[in-house]
Amino acid sequence: DIQMTQSPSSLSASVGDRVTITCRTSQSINSYLHWYQHKSGKAPKLLIYAASSLQSGVPSRFSGSGSGTDFTLTISSLQPEDFATYYCQQSYSKLTFGQGTRLEIK
Amino acid sequence: EVQLLESGGGLVQPGGSLRLSCAASGFTFTNYAMSWVRQAPGKGLEWVSAIIGGATSTYYADSVRGRFTISRDNSKNTLYLQMNSLRAEDTAVYYCAKDVFGSGGPNYFDCWGQGTLVTVSS
Repeated sequence: DIQMTQSPSSLSASVGDRVTITCRTSQSINSYLHWYQHKSGKAPKLLIYAASSLQSGVPSRFSGSGSGTDFTLTISSLQPEDFATYYCQQSYSKLTFGQGTRLEIK
Repeated sequence: EVQLLESGGGLVQPGGSLRLSCAASGFTFTNYAMSWVRQAPGKGLEWVSAIIGGATSTYYADSVRGRFTISRDNSKNTLYLQMNSLRAEDTAVYYCAKDVFGSGGPNYFDCWGQGTLVTVSS
């Protein structure tokens, strides 16, 4: 099975900060990598699909990059509503999620 | 507006059974694969099972294969998850999720429900 490693596992940042979250896979998955935002008690939300495509309705401050085994999610200027947990997910072989990155207010 | 509404969660004893339902609206249900994804307390997301739009193919995580059965009734726009031989480690919030494609293995999900809590405990 493909192993996924997200880093950091938690992150403290301030409104306006630029934040980068990394996802690394144990083998190449081309661009079969997707990112979600999850707030406690709410439905998860798709942000980025196929490594770098912005889901409709998602603010442009979110962006994704990478291919192969190394991927990043970047939030260019943090807004108050962005504090949540972020997950990467691969669909190259079976389906697995990263362990999540909890983004907290500094 | 696409909506997914899960129901059927609750408290069940180890070894017991439970059936979850997910009522879908706002899209042509039969055209899309659907999945169940769960989140155990304090843990991350774990994909559980998927079924293609025509219901002819199903997929399972190793952790639930042989115990859980996914199905769908396209005439009722409803997804199901029959859970048997439940274990304490199955305790989680269970989400149904709409796939972006109708066939093939699970891909990624553009709409999720709010989840239903399953607690397995004596």
